[in-house]
Amino acid sequence: ETGVTQTPRHLVMGMTNKKSLKCEQHLGHNAMYWYKQSAKKPLELMFVYSLEERVENNSVPSRFSPECPNSSHLFLHLHTLQPEDSALYLCASSQDSLGNSPLHFGNGTRLTVT
Amino acid sequence: AQKITQTQPGMFVQEKEAVTLDCTYDTSDQSYGLFWYKQPSSGEMIFLIYQGSYDEQNATEGRYSLNFQKARKSANLVISASQLGDSAMYFCAMKSNAGGTSYGKLTFGQGTILTVHP
Repeated sequence: ETGVTQTPRHLVMGMTNKKSLKCEQHLGHNAMYWYKQSAKKPLELMFVYSLEERVENNSVPSRFSPECPNSSHLFLHLHTLQPEDSALYLCASSQDSLGNSPLHFGNGTRLTVT
Repeated sequence: AQKITQTQPGMFVQEKEAVTLDCTYDTSDQSYGLFWYKQPSSGEMIFLIYQGSYDEQNATEGRYSLNFQKARKSANLVISASQLGDSAMYFCAMKSNAGGTSYGKLTFGQGTILTVHP
């Protein structure tokens, strides 16, 4: 496989459930990101990991918990979510040290909170 | 603070014609990069083209070109010879290299939906 792979593609969960989103990149990049895309809103940066260290948390509620065990894998653990958390969650990676390096995105996980 | 503005919620173009998607940005940084992404209905964000703030020439990638006007802070995307497969949402984004952070924190615009008619 090449590029950035996200699983699952679709997820429906109740407000009391606990689930995890998974992201894997096969590009040798050393920075990974979680973005949230809600309807009629620009993409919102949630978390940034550089060399497996979290370097940015964009005031994200604690019900979202990221984990980066190595430079190729990124998780987003979800618990006690709210209906307004329903959105497309996009994972991305980039070559950290290059200022002009684009982000490479996965296909996203479409999350519905019921 | 950085801001990206895409004023066209939707655009229509005839197949084989050219189309320009507008993007203006606001930043006080001297060094920054501008990106365009395409998002088909499948959801994936596809990188199209990049323009650095110090690049003197407009970027081109195949049918895509970027009309970069630094003084006006605009970075419009031009798609030539439109194809039906170009129908998608298009996002303009900016990355600042200020503050020593080289990782890719992108600020996105709201996007423009492009529809290509046969």
